[in-house]
Amino acid sequence: AQSVAQPEDQVNVAEGNPLTVKCTYSVSGNPYLFWYVQYPNRGLQFLLKYITGDNLVKGSYGFEAEFNKSQTSFHLKKPSALVSDSALYFCAVRDSGNDMRFGAGTRLTVKP
Amino acid sequence: SAVISQKPSRDICQRGTSLTIQCQVDSQVTMMFWYRQQPGQSLTLIATANQGSEATYESGFVIDKFPISRPNLTFSTLTVSNMSPEDSSIYLCSVDSGRRDTQYFGPGTRLTVL
Repeated sequence: AQSVAQPEDQVNVAEGNPLTVKCTYSVSGNPYLFWYVQYPNRGLQFLLKYITGDNLVKGSYGFEAEFNKSQTSFHLKKPSALVSDSALYFCAVRDSGNDMRFGAGTRLTVKP
Repeated sequence: SAVISQKPSRDICQRGTSLTIQCQVDSQVTMMFWYRQQPGQSLTLIATANQGSEATYESGFVIDKFPISRPNLTFSTLTVSNMSPEDSSIYLCSVDSGRRDTQYFGPGTRLTVL
C-alpha cells in the first residue's frame, strides 16, 4: 500500500527567502505524486503533480517540486516566499488506479 | 478542472441527530470520494462512490454510520448518522479528473456536534 510522510509539522521562513516543504513516499509501482494547499476555512487546492517525464514539475503560484526516485522524495519549493503563501500544505501519493493517500500536512508560515 | 460545490458549508448539530451533505460537480465524473479531516489532522478517505453501485468503504468506516448516495454522474450525498462530538470534522467531497490522475476537492463542510 502507498504511503507518504511529511517530516516537518511546521516550516517558518522569512518573506523573500526560498522555501522547501519536504515529502517522502512509498509505493509499490510508479508513483503519482501531488501537492495541495489548504488556506484557512477552505478546501484543498491542487498545486502540482508528477506523473511521468521531467523530474522538476512547475505548478501554481510559482511553486515547483522535484521528483527524486533514488531518495523517494518529492519536495515542494519556491524561490521567494510570500506572506500569502502561509497555509497548510499536503503531499499525496497515488499508485496508478488506487486511492490517494495524504501526508499529515506541513504548516508553512512566512513572516514579513 | 472540475468545479465542486458542497452544501451546507457548515452546520452545528445536536448529538444523536443526522446530517446529509450534498456534493455537486459541474461535469460528469465516474468516481467521487468522501474524506474526513478532523481538527488539526490530515485527510482520511471515508469511501469511494461510483454511480450505479454501492460505495466502497475504507477500514473503520461503515455504511450504517456514513450512508452514501450516488444517483447520477454529477451528484452525491454523504450522511453522518447518529452523530457524536467525535464526528466534528470537515467533510470533503472529491472527484477524479478525466484521466484519473488528479483529484479535485470541494470547499468542505465544517460540522460541529454538540
